[in-house]
Amino acid sequence: NAGVTQTPKFRVLKTGQSMTLLCAQDMNHEYMYWYRQDPGMGLRLIHYSVGEGTTAKGEVPDGYNVSRLKKQNFLLGLESAAPSQTSVYFCASSYLSGRDTQYFGPGTRLTVL
Amino acid sequence: AQKVTQAQTEISVVEKEDVTLDCVYETRDTTYYLFWYKQPPSGELVFLIRRNSFDEQNEISGRYSWNFQKSTSSFNFTITASQVVDSAVYFCALSVEGGGNKLTFGTGTQLKVEL
Repeated sequence: NAGVTQTPKFRVLKTGQSMTLLCAQDMNHEYMYWYRQDPGMGLRLIHYSVGEGTTAKGEVPDGYNVSRLKKQNFLLGLESAAPSQTSVYFCASSYLSGRDTQYFGPGTRLTVL
Repeated sequence: AQKVTQAQTEISVVEKEDVTLDCVYETRDTTYYLFWYKQPPSGELVFLIRRNSFDEQNEISGRYSWNFQKSTSSFNFTITASQVVDSAVYFCALSVEGGGNKLTFGTGTQLKVEL
């Protein structure tokens, strides 16, 4: 039981390049989330999904897109990376409602030059 | 909208001291859930505890204890007899029913435990 995994762990991009971050969970959770963590700002929600085939915007969605084609996977895409997107990205999943605990992946450290 | 405030940016203590991390939250919802997560230097986020708004009982787990007071909208975390391994960033977070179960995080408190 791996829990929540993220690929890759580290990545360096040049401004304007694109990339996709992959999140996978093996806990049969319905809800999945992408957060970014910046110094002094805690974690902020980018996008989330309440089930396969659904996505919704979070607090800071601009510059990102997501897809949830399979229940166990949640992809985060950057179409044209900017230095402001340098951050640590965390994926999380939870079973269902607000009462359920979100379990986090190990994070992806992204640097945009 | 929800808000979580962790006013203590950084705390330094000497090993074996007790330390309390403060968390104040804001929400208009009557049903909500409070969480504490630990982020050690390795970077992962480790779940510590979840409380719902209907359960104000304090909780103790080993050296950790949590004090939930609805009257002051606080959910404070105390570590008794701190150890170097407790050094980490601790986050308090809040979610409400509906709206995708989104977590609203505080900005975190960096705890440094020194010998």
